[in-house]
Formats: sequence, structure tokens, C-alpha cells
Amino acid sequence: AQRVTQPEKLLSVFKGAPVELKCNYSYSGSPELFWYVQYSRQRLQLLLRHISRESIKGFTADLNKGETSFHLKKPFAQEEDSAMYYCALSDYSSASKIIFGSGTRLSIRP
Amino acid sequence: NAGVTQTPKFQVLKTGQSMTLQCAQDMNHEYMSWYRQDPGMGLRLIHYSVGAGITDQGEVPNGYNVSRSTTEDFPLRLLSAAPSQTSVYFCASSYSVGQGSANEKLFFGSGTQLSVL
Repeated sequence: AQRVTQPEKLLSVFKGAPVELKCNYSYSGSPELFWYVQYSRQRLQLLLRHISRESIKGFTADLNKGETSFHLKKPFAQEEDSAMYYCALSDYSSASKIIFGSGTRLSIRP
Repeated sequence: NAGVTQTPKFQVLKTGQSMTLQCAQDMNHEYMSWYRQDPGMGLRLIHYSVGAGITDQGEVPNGYNVSRSTTEDFPLRLLSAAPSQTSVYFCASSYSVGQGSANEKLFFGSGTQLSVL
């Protein structure tokens, strides 16, 4: 079955330190992967998608098919990065739907 | 531009009561979906729809019904509320899903916090 795993419930780092939020997936075809973010008192929103190969707010994510991973990285954390982050996979092997991981809460300490 | 609108924002039910969570979008999106958000379990897909008249089950559909009579609306019905359905519910829509295109992006509503006593 298609699955997204985020092993860390909480990640706490100091401001200016590097950040890596882990995401692993299981999927039988070519995956479409995303990172969504929920800032305090804001709606869930798309942060980035692997197909665009973009950097948003200093974050990047590389799809590693060999390790079935899509980790989110930022070289220097900022306090405004504190939020809930969800990794998601677009499953269109049998039907079109997007499934999410359990989320990682990122806390940036000043 | 309202985007995705969910009502109500908060609701308290007694066990066994029924209710409908409303979701409407004004972006002419074909794809709509309902998720529940629970601590430690992330977002789990309840039901989804790829267009008017078409619905399908997600990961946790039991106890919920949906219908899609128009492109704009996708209500979620709780048939007989149970304490296990206490959660935050999110409606989301997208122009398309599974296309691998720039249009594959979920827009979320602000959520409905539901408590079942």
C-alpha cells in the first residue's frame, strides 16, 4: 500500500542551525511528492513539490528513489520556520488522491 | 476570492447525533477531499471526489458519507457521531490530482473542530 512516513514528531533546533525533516515513502510507481506547511493560526499550504525542483523560503527537497526518501532541508533555520510540516504523496496508481504523513512539528529556538 | 470555505468552525455533538460539515470552493476545482487531523496521526483522507457525481473512499471512510452534486460543494455527513470522531476536519480542493503538473496543489479550508461527547 502507498504510505508516507515521517519518523520525527518533534524537531527542535537553534536559530541558524541546519534543518532536515525526514520523509520516507512506499509507492509502486513514479511518485509525485510534496511538502505542506501549517504555520500557527494559518491554513495548510503547499511549500514545495519535487517536480518543480524549487527552493521556497530557503527550503529544498530532493527525491531519492533509491532510498525512497524526500527529506526537507534548510541550511540556516529562522524563527519564522517554526510550524507543522507534512510530507505528502500523490497516489494515482489506482485512483487520484493525495495521502499525508503524520507530520513533524519544527520548533526553532532563539 | 474566498477559496475553500468550511462551516461551521466549531461544533459539539452528543454521541449518536448526526450532522453535516459544509465545504464550498469557488475556484472551479474538479478535485475535492476531506481529511481529519489527529495528534500523532497527521492528516488522514476520509473521502474524495474527482468531479461532480463521482466520489470515492479514502483511508478512513467508516462513519462518514459524502456526495458531490455540484462542482462547488462537497459536504461531509456524520451519520451517528461517536467520540472517536472527535477531530479537526479539513476540506481541500485542487484543479487536478495525479497529473504531475503545476495545477496539482491542494488548497485547504480553515478547518472544523468537532467534539463528540
